Amino acid sequence: QVQLVESGGGVVPPGRSLRLSCAASGFSFTSYALHWVRQAPGKGLEWVAVISYDGRNNYYADSVKGRFTISRDNSKNTLFLQMNSLSTGDTAVYYCARAGDVYGFSYWFDPWGQGSLVTVSS
Amino acid sequence: DIQMTQSPFTLSASVGDSVTITCRASQSVSTWVAWYQQKPGKAPKVLIYKASSLESGVPSRFSGSGSGTEFTLTISSLQPDDFATYYCQQYNRAPYSFGQGTNLEIK
Repeated sequence: QVQLVESGGGVVPPGRSLRLSCAASGFSFTSYALHWVRQAPGKGLEWVAVISYDGRNNYYADSVKGRFTISRDNSKNTLFLQMNSLSTGDTAVYYCARAGDVYGFSYWFDPWGQGSLVTVSS
Repeated sequence: DIQMTQSPFTLSASVGDSVTITCRASQSVSTWVAWYQQKPGKAPKVLIYKASSLESGVPSRFSGSGSGTEFTLTISSLQPDDFATYYCQQYNRAPYSFGQGTNLEIK
């Protein structure tokens, strides 16, 4: 079945870096755009970034632009989120999610991974 | 950027009731709206996409409508499993914004 599994979360001091991974299986990885979405404790959903199916295009939320980098390795069916200059405001569960249909960006998100908790704290 | 304003923030209802959640976009998003259900500690799950298309496997008591800037999610004959938080989302263009969420609780 279609599955996304995040890893790499943990506790990190402010100003440091962390890289999240999202391993995909059960579908044609190279045909779908992929997103990162985060959810701070007790808060709503915030879209973070998207990368095209071929890795050539991406977009970011203003809140992470210049600090976070989304990338993918299509040979390993894996999505990444490199997070630099982390602050306490970045504390959240980070979900990866697949676009609902092939090739384009503008589709609903389905499915989602189970999430990976990132805690930025000294 | 497109803002999605969702209401109400909290909704109290009983099993068997019908409820409606509303989402307003700050500019037209055509029908590029999805609705998600999220339960505590779990990832969101899509219910409705393209404003009114029911995701496969989702019960038919869930329905969506709207276009342009006004959208609704209706749940008819509430079941115990439906008490959760619901989010609307526009995917017309990046940044792909979500509504603030509606917490549907048992009365």
